[in-house]
Amino acid sequence: DSGVTQTPKHLITATGQRVTLRCSPRSGDLSVYWYQQSLDQGLQFLIQYYNGEERAKGNILERFSAQQFPDLHSELNLSSLELGDSALYFCASSLGLAGTYEQYFGPGTRLTVT
Amino acid sequence: DAKTTQPTSMDCAEGRAANLPCNHSTISGNEYVYWYRQIHSQGPQYIIHGLKNNETNEMASLIITEDRKSSTLILPHATLRDTAVYYCIVRTINTGTASKLTFGTGTRLQVTL
Repeated sequence: DSGVTQTPKHLITATGQRVTLRCSPRSGDLSVYWYQQSLDQGLQFLIQYYNGEERAKGNILERFSAQQFPDLHSELNLSSLELGDSALYFCASSLGLAGTYEQYFGPGTRLTVT
Repeated sequence: DAKTTQPTSMDCAEGRAANLPCNHSTISGNEYVYWYRQIHSQGPQYIIHGLKNNETNEMASLIITEDRKSSTLILPHATLRDTAVYYCIVRTINTGTASKLTFGTGTRLQVTL
């Protein structure tokens, strides 16, 4: 158990809908990352937050957004869902910003868009 | 971040050492070598990381060549539960910069009886 929790574990929804994925980092970790893993793209970085502020963006679509709240939990919002958004979404957390800190991953949310 | 090259797949007999190589010939002086693994569709699991010295923890050992252009992850006594995809990742150590992990395709390690 990494100490990172993600809810829900599974989500099935229809095209055009909007969903929210939730992540609680390990106790004491200030940085949260979101990754997407699809069959054809592998594991890809989406976005990073540190202590409530966005710090880096990867290949995140404009239909996707995220935020980190004062209690440090984070939410990833996916809207106007398309079939291609079906994937595993992982959240990770680390103590700080620097690359010296290892990232610990949650169990993921499996999103299926029908 | 520097690019890494790993074999697509490897087999290892249970109880034997698994040696997983990684080439990172373009690594720069301020980049760490990290190893993660992913068992089936679970979240990636941190294994070990190092800068230039060899490192060992309860899970594995990391051997980095003197020129830092390649490394080997060693699982000393592989078990069936070590069957996973292993990712070698090079990552900047700079404070304040984006410290995302860039995953390649990894090595699929199959441990057999």
